[in-house]
Amino acid sequence: ETGVTQTPRHLVMGMTNKKSLKCEQHLGHNAMYWYKQSAKKPLELMFVYNFKEQTENNSVPSRFSPECPNSSHLFLHLHTLQPEDSALYLCASSQRLAGEATDTQYFGPGTRLTVL
Amino acid sequence: TQLLEQSPQFLSIQEGENLTVYCNSSSVFSSLQWYRQEPGEGPVLLVTVVTGGEVKKLKRLTFQFGDARKDSSLHITAAQPGDTGLYLCAGASQDSNYQLIWGAGTKLIIKP
Repeated sequence: ETGVTQTPRHLVMGMTNKKSLKCEQHLGHNAMYWYKQSAKKPLELMFVYNFKEQTENNSVPSRFSPECPNSSHLFLHLHTLQPEDSALYLCASSQRLAGEATDTQYFGPGTRLTVL
Repeated sequence: TQLLEQSPQFLSIQEGENLTVYCNSSSVFSSLQWYRQEPGEGPVLLVTVVTGGEVKKLKRLTFQFGDARKDSSLHITAAQPGDTGLYLCAGASQDSNYQLIWGAGTKLIIKP
């Protein structure tokens, strides 16, 4: 138990569906992240939120839409996805401190997404 | 573009053997981290190294950061089945705005 929960753990959706992934952190951290993990590929950073403000958007297609209503919750809204979007979607949180180059990221267990 | 190459991609050995996995780059990193990910879980941090030449030990695991801060290695002594998992390295630098750059991982299986 890392203090970061994700729901659902598994999701199968068609290309025309709309669904949302939810992440909640119970660690009091100020930063939250969405990553995409595909087999044999490096983790791809998708979005970063710091104090609820989006600070990174790594050229992610608009069919992925993040939402961060507060420092503890993060959502990833999905619509009209493609089969190549099938992957493990990981949420993480950290306490980013000004002047420090490295922080520890705490990950949730991920949502295994399959797009048919 | 900063890249981290991990080798080998896959390693399967018997319990009790020693092994070393590598994380290499042509870029310099301010810090480098190693994470372990078990099936059905997210990655969990094992260690952070920040100084060139630094060596850190975690029980049977020894981590080294290269002198030039471009590479790192993880050595496991007398591997146990509980060491099975995906080992990921991740580096941060000013060039990446201190966001983590990840390797693709080494999948390690320790057979009893």
